[in-house]
Amino acid sequence: DGGITQSPKYLFRKEGQNVTLSCEQNLNHDAMYWYRQDPGQGLRLIYYSQIVNDFQKGDIAEGYSVSREKKESFPLTVTSAQKNPTAFYLCASSAYGTRRNQPQHFGDGTRLSIL
Amino acid sequence: GENVEQHPSTLSVQEGDSAVIKCTYSDSASNYFPWYKQELGKRPQLIIDIRSNVGEKKDQRIAVTLNKTAKHFSLHITETQPEDSAVYFCAASKGGITGGGNKLTFGTGTQLKVEL
Repeated sequence: DGGITQSPKYLFRKEGQNVTLSCEQNLNHDAMYWYRQDPGQGLRLIYYSQIVNDFQKGDIAEGYSVSREKKESFPLTVTSAQKNPTAFYLCASSAYGTRRNQPQHFGDGTRLSIL
Repeated sequence: GENVEQHPSTLSVQEGDSAVIKCTYSDSASNYFPWYKQELGKRPQLIIDIRSNVGEKKDQRIAVTLNKTAKHFSLHITETQPEDSAVYFCAASKGGITGGGNKLTFGTGTQLKVEL
């Protein structure tokens, strides 16, 4: 899925620091998603956006924030309020189906660690 | 909300044997069930999906079956090869606007190892 680009590949956060993970897609998809992956826990939804200038909390939104100012971009900020940010973060996108689900396709991920 | 359980967590098979991974879901309104394959350190890749209006779908060596009554679905891989070794995730979702906009709930994954 070369159409979804996440950067950086590795990121280190200092105590009390906010960091922003980038996600860009050129697939003309309306919907974008952020997931967190921890060992043995699968993927958990942080935030999702179905359309520009609109987004909703997922299952584990506390300590994270997002924006969706452009269709192709959905950056995720990990704030200092997120006390356990070490994880693999995956961005995904899909066409938005009003009547039926459309497949989600993933980027290569960003691995975030605490210094 | 939706809850998806996946079993087993690890599975070892001999090359050429079949592998079966099972998932159950809790929300009877779920109607879309994709399966993803993730190799170490890489992105999850969609390998097959099924919608609730069909009971089985095949793609070469991979098949998925769905039992809506029992709320479970399974991934079947035949003639396994070493390159099938990876973590496999099942997921479930409700469709459309009223279904929460494509949100996927994932199982916890199955580490499949195909031994020579």
